Amino acid sequence: GNSVTQMEGPVTLSEEAFLTINCTYTATGYPSLFWYVQYPGEGLQLLLKATKADDKGSNKGFEATYRKETTSFHLEKGSVQVSDSAVYFCALSAPDSWGKLQFGAGTQVVVTP
Amino acid sequence: DGGITQSPKYLFRKEGQNVTLSCEQNLNHDAMYWYRQDPGQGLRLIYYSQIVNDFQKGDIAEGYSVSREKKESFPLTVTSAQKNPTAFYLCASTLGTGLTGELFFGEGSRLTVL
Repeated sequence: GNSVTQMEGPVTLSEEAFLTINCTYTATGYPSLFWYVQYPGEGLQLLLKATKADDKGSNKGFEATYRKETTSFHLEKGSVQVSDSAVYFCALSAPDSWGKLQFGAGTQVVVTP
Repeated sequence: DGGITQSPKYLFRKEGQNVTLSCEQNLNHDAMYWYRQDPGQGLRLIYYSQIVNDFQKGDIAEGYSVSREKKESFPLTVTSAQKNPTAFYLCASTLGTGLTGELFFGEGSRLTVL
């Protein structure tokens, strides 16, 4: 079956540090890949997405590249801010899955001033 | 503003009671979903509905029930058969088939069983 594995948290960083959250997946066919972000006490918001191999999704300074050869979709940001403190979820959507997403366990990121 | 509204935000239940969580969307989306979130486990799919008057079980449907009588509404009932109902419940929607699976989420309902 389809699955998503992401690095465990919490990840604690100082402001302006470089952030990487690893995400690898197992899926048949060519899934779409997503990063969602959840701020405390809220629902999830789409951060970025990629729908085919070598696509790069980007938003708010975050980037992730769909690497089919390594089945990965790592999230990166060059300089984090305190406001980036949140839980980040990697997810995949298999073709014709009607939006049923398979989520990773989430990675909590804590950015300190 | 378009969006998904979940209510109540917080809910307390005694053991043996059924509770219903509301989810309403004004995005004109066809498909709606219920996910359960537990610490360290990510999100797990409970039920989903692609069209009105039709719904399918997700990965953890036991102890839950849903209805889809209107396009904009997809309430979730947590029954007394659900053995461990304390969790954060998230409702989501998406426009329809053929898309890449981007979901729009509500702000969630936190259920605590006393």
